[in-house]
Amino acid sequence: DAKTTQPNSMESNEEEPVHLPCNHSTISGTDYIHWYRQLPSQGPEYVIHGLTSNVNNRMASLAIAEDRKSSTLILHRATLRDAAVYYCILRVLAYSGAGSYQLTFGKGTKLSVIP
Amino acid sequence: DAGVIQSPRHEVTEMGQEVTLRCKPISGHNSLFWYRQTMMRGLELLIYFNNNVPIDDSGMPEDRFSAKMPNASFSTLKIQPSEPRDSAVYFCASSFGTGHYDYGYTFGSGTRLTVV
Repeated sequence: DAKTTQPNSMESNEEEPVHLPCNHSTISGTDYIHWYRQLPSQGPEYVIHGLTSNVNNRMASLAIAEDRKSSTLILHRATLRDAAVYYCILRVLAYSGAGSYQLTFGKGTKLSVIP
Repeated sequence: DAGVIQSPRHEVTEMGQEVTLRCKPISGHNSLFWYRQTMMRGLELLIYFNNNVPIDDSGMPEDRFSAKMPNASFSTLKIQPSEPRDSAVYFCASSFGTGHYDYGYTFGSGTRLTVV
């Protein structure tokens, strides 16, 4: 499986931007980069995903390096509610038929937000 | 949309008993996933279904675990007999996929299983 490397933990001040890095040097050309987060005592929550171009949605932005060997999840203005474990995951195309793909979660980055 | 619904939220059982966890995926989703989360091992994929058919069950720890998806709106994960090391939070997730384009998973709130 293609693997990702993330820092174990990060801290941010409330209302400041947060940049969460992810390295994926073994990414292949068809691998999508996914980000999920898990708030305390909840199930993981989809944040964003992309292939080559930078992506924006209401929750965050995803900046993908030109060589695709790294990416950064950007929270534009951290709130206390953003304190969570953030997972960077590469799609594993384990099944070529109709339907979804398999996601393998690593340990993620625990983000703490300081009031 | 009520999201992915799991039941029960909490389950405490004695070692050796049978445990059944239930999941109702989001209507229209064609893929369903069962994950287990522990402090030691993190989130592990146990099994997933596409169009109600099991695709990969290599993550199922042993024969004591079995999963079924009799129709598009219901799935079960059964442990028989249960052991204390099965204690974990079990998550169900669903998604819609075409085999080419990626869509995000939606996870349920999980079932916290404690085997004593």
